[in-house]
Formats: sequence, structure tokens, C-alpha cells
Amino acid sequence: QSALTQPPSASGSPGQSVTISCTGTSSDVGGYNYVSWYQQHPGKAPKFMIYEVSKRPSGVPDRFSGSKSGNTASLTVSGLQADDEADYYCNSYAGSDNWVFGGGTKLTVL
Amino acid sequence: QVQLVESGGGVVQPGGSLRLSCAASGFTFTGHGMHWVRQAPGKGLEWVAFIRSDGSGKYYADSVKGRFTISRDNSKNTLDLQMNSLRAEDTALYYCCRDYEWAFDIWGQGTLVTVSS
Repeated sequence: QSALTQPPSASGSPGQSVTISCTGTSSDVGGYNYVSWYQQHPGKAPKFMIYEVSKRPSGVPDRFSGSKSGNTASLTVSGLQADDEADYYCNSYAGSDNWVFGGGTKLTVL
Repeated sequence: QVQLVESGGGVVQPGGSLRLSCAASGFTFTGHGMHWVRQAPGKGLEWVAFIRSDGSGKYYADSVKGRFTISRDNSKNTLDLQMNSLRAEDTALYYCCRDYEWAFDIWGQGTLVTVSS
């Protein structure tokens, strides 16, 4: 149950797009289409942003999109806004009713 | 509205025990598996445990296997986590989460567990 690999930080200017990667193995990210993403502002509980690689829950802006290629999943935030500044975590189902999170990426809006 | 409210956190000595609870409301509790996820101070998220909707299956992260027990009472819409043999590295904010399509769609506000002598 090794953690998924995310870059510690990412940044972009308002209006730009930024992509955050999440790398796992064939036993988790590569083996299942059950990758999800969470946004966490300081002092708050995480918020559900993406599930099943690319599906958006109701209420999540379409500026947020997800994708996957092989063992790497990605979250793209388009049209960056100040409120997008937060920590982002990926998660993958890893089989046998186990789940694994990434280490988190701090997104800074410059 | 859909809500999860955790309770039971506190300060406990190494080797001690603590029982966390999570009260669910606003949705059909029996229709969802439930998770516990924790976050150590200043650190990332860690999946801890999962229980199926009918309580028939219970699954744990290697880091807590054999020490923690997840359970649920579908008649009371509650989820519990019994934590034994606690270690300093178990210090964290513990979140109760609803399962949706192998993801965590609803989160509580968390309850803080501190393991310290």
C-alpha cells in the first residue's frame, strides 16, 4: 500500500491552466478506473471533485477535469481562479477493498 | 441535509484505546459503504478502513490492521472505529466518509486523536 506519487507543488496565474499528475502502479491507478480527486482548503475537510477518473459530481465546475494514461492520472484546472488555491489529493482503488491516496499537491495561484 | 458528524477524539497515552463514532443523517445509511480516513498534522490523507453497507466486510490499511476495528449500527445510522494499542503515529484528524463509486463523496468535519504521554 505505497502512496501514489504527486508533485509537492504546482502553480499558475489567474486564467491559466495547470495539470497535476498522480502516478501509481498497475495494481492501483493502472488497474482500475476508480481514480478520484479531492480539494482541501486550509482547516477544512476535503471536497470531492472528480471520480471514476473523469466524472464530475454535481456542483463541481467544468474547469476541473480528470484523465488517465497507463499508471498516471491527471487533474487539470482551467481558467485558474484565486479560490482554486488549495491542496489537491488523488486517490485510487487498489483492489481487495483497499484504497490509496497520493501525497498531495499544493496549488498556488500566482 | 446530508451530514456526517464525528465524535470521540481526545488525548490518550501510547498503548491506550479510544472509540470514535460518526453519526450519519440526510441519506439512506444502509445504501452506502463507509470509510475512515485520517490526516496527521501537516500531512496528507491516509485511508484507514472500510465497511460494506451491510457490515458483511471490513477492510483495513496495513498500518492499523490488528489494532483498529470498524463497525456500524444500521439501526442507529452510526459508524464506529475502535482503536487499540495506539501509537504516536496514530495522532491525526480522523474523518468519517461515505463511499460513492469507490470514492469518498461526503466527509465529516473530523475528530482529533492525539497519542501522547
